[in-house]
Amino acid sequence: NAGVTQTPKFQVLKTGQSMTLQCAQDMNHNSMYWYRQDPGMGLRLIYYSASEGTTDKGEVPNGYNVSRLNKREFSLRLESAAPSQTSVYFCASRRPGGQETQYFGPGTRLLVL
Amino acid sequence: AQKITQTQPGMFVQEKEAVTLDCTYDTSDQSYGLFWYKQPSSGEMIFLIYQGSYDEQNATEGRYSLNFQKARKSANLVISASQLGDSAMYFCAMREAFYTGANSKLTFGKGITLSVRP
Repeated sequence: NAGVTQTPKFQVLKTGQSMTLQCAQDMNHNSMYWYRQDPGMGLRLIYYSASEGTTDKGEVPNGYNVSRLNKREFSLRLESAAPSQTSVYFCASRRPGGQETQYFGPGTRLLVL
Repeated sequence: AQKITQTQPGMFVQEKEAVTLDCTYDTSDQSYGLFWYKQPSSGEMIFLIYQGSYDEQNATEGRYSLNFQKARKSANLVISASQLGDSAMYFCAMREAFYTGANSKLTFGKGITLSVRP
């Protein structure tokens, strides 16, 4: 049981390049999330998906797109990377009911030059 | 206004001593949930403890306990018998009533750095 996995772990991009961050979970959770973490800012929600086939914007969605490919996978795409998107990106999935705790992947460190 | 406030500067504690990490929150909801996560230097986010607004008892999980003072809107994390491995950044987060079920979302504080001295 791997929990939430993310690829890649590290990535360096040039301004204007595109890339997709991959996330998968094997806990059969319906809801999945993408966050970014910047120094001194905590975690901010980019997009989330309440269930397969649905996605919604979070606090900081500009410059990003997402795809909920199936129940397991939720990808984040940067179409034209900007230096302001240099950050650590976390994917999470949420256990339904009760506490509704979110469980996080290991993160992707992205540097945009 | 910030929903979650964590204003302590970097915290230091001697190994084997207890430490309290402060968190205050702002919501007009009666039903909400509060979470603490740990982020060690390796970077992963680890769920530690949860407190529901209607829970009558303070939450405990091993060496972690949550000092929940509803009237003061504070949810402080208490770590007893600190260990070197407790050195990390700690985040407080809240889920408000509207953001439950399919719409479930968390709001995070900016975090507190804890260093445990040998």
